[in-house]
Amino acid sequence: EAGVTQSPTHLIKTRGQQATLRCSPISGHTSVYWYQQALGLGLQFLLWYDEGEERNRGNFPPRFSGRQFPNYSSELNVNALELEDSALYLCASSLIRGAETQYFGPGTRLLVL
Amino acid sequence: QKEVEQNSGPLSVPEGAIASLNCTYSDRGSQSFFWYRQYSGKSPELIMSIYSNGDKEDGRFTAQLNKASQYVSLLIRDSQPSDSATYLCAGRRTSYDKVIFGPGTSLSVIP
Repeated sequence: EAGVTQSPTHLIKTRGQQATLRCSPISGHTSVYWYQQALGLGLQFLLWYDEGEERNRGNFPPRFSGRQFPNYSSELNVNALELEDSALYLCASSLIRGAETQYFGPGTRLLVL
Repeated sequence: QKEVEQNSGPLSVPEGAIASLNCTYSDRGSQSFFWYRQYSGKSPELIMSIYSNGDKEDGRFTAQLNKASQYVSLLIRDSQPSDSATYLCAGRRTSYDKVIFGPGTSLSVIP
């Protein structure tokens, strides 16, 4: 069974640009979670999508947005990139909404210059 | 105030010893707690979950929860070099709420 996949693995952008990160959950999983892992700050919850709807949102500005497609894959968009957005962005999926176990993808490392 | 706090470490223990990882949380409404392990350069993976006060054992791992003290711990018995990783403590209120992660504790098991 394929795990959670994310693309691209690395992304380099400059300040003010937009970044789009993609995530495909494990087959059959309906919930997708996005986290930011910056150096020294641990995993910060960004967004949670389930059945195509946004279920919860972390303490991030509105320029962080996303969506979930009918096939349950998801996209994270970061507009007006700032230097401090440089981080590893992890996507996780779970079988059902609120399931105990979240399975993480390998992440997308975003570097903003 | 961070919602979930952990000592960043690094915590170093000799091979075969017991590693004790601690976590405190500020939200008294938190009901479920999780320990994730993250190897360097890899993604986190769930190793233990605990919901009730007391101990929960799974192989060499024991999770402990004390809701009155708002304290969660993870004990790793007979520590192995392969246990060297960062351990993330996390909690959430209900299954419909987001999971809040702590900053993680780096564990190094010395052969």
